Amino acid sequence: GAGVSQTPSNKVTEKGKYVELRCDPISGHTALYWYRQSLGQGPEFLIYFQGTGAADDSGLPNDRFFAVRPEGSVSTLKIQRTERGDSAVYLCASRSLGDRGLRFNYGYTFGSGTRLTVV
Amino acid sequence: AQRVTQPEKLLSVFKGAPVELKCNYSYSGSPELFWYVQYSRQRLQLLLRHISRESIKGFTADLNKGETSFHLKKPFAQEEDSAMYYCALSPLSGSRLTFGEGTQLTVNP
Repeated sequence: GAGVSQTPSNKVTEKGKYVELRCDPISGHTALYWYRQSLGQGPEFLIYFQGTGAADDSGLPNDRFFAVRPEGSVSTLKIQRTERGDSAVYLCASRSLGDRGLRFNYGYTFGSGTRLTVV
Repeated sequence: AQRVTQPEKLLSVFKGAPVELKCNYSYSGSPELFWYVQYSRQRLQLLLRHISRESIKGFTADLNKGETSFHLKKPFAQEEDSAMYYCALSPLSGSRLTFGEGTQLTVNP
């Protein structure tokens, strides 16, 4: 597609439930990133994929959070036993590896985000 | 550790007035600095980055390594500049972005 697509755009879930958030990056972009943005805060890094593997998952807050990218394109962020504090906008971004040599972070394209509300 | 500070959460100016959005950073190496903008109901998008030394929509930002600052400036603000602005940092050797908390700019008619 023309941009980074995230689904669903909104998700309301009950405390303790499991949720999956999906990111469909720009075709051909090898790098994919997940960020979390709480109300009144800037985006906070969660995890970064290069191809199928997680190159940096140091931002995941705890073991309830997990992300996969099995075929190197679509990624799913999974949250187990959701808590009210998980409520936030979850942003996905992708970038072409080819840009890295020219402009280090040039070419980051963000999706519109998934607004997760845990009630 | 890397950190980005935007001291002003809200900034309000009149149309035609100069505007400066402040950004300070801390990082032990040589970072790459960016400004991202989010207009109402739109996704986050790159405004400019220090490495390209360009002017976008009349905005400029100069990296001051001595003061560890990367303030965003525009000499004559327009109403369409009203948006949330985020300063961000990345290590030259890495790719994760660290964002500041953002400044909500309102340009009044």
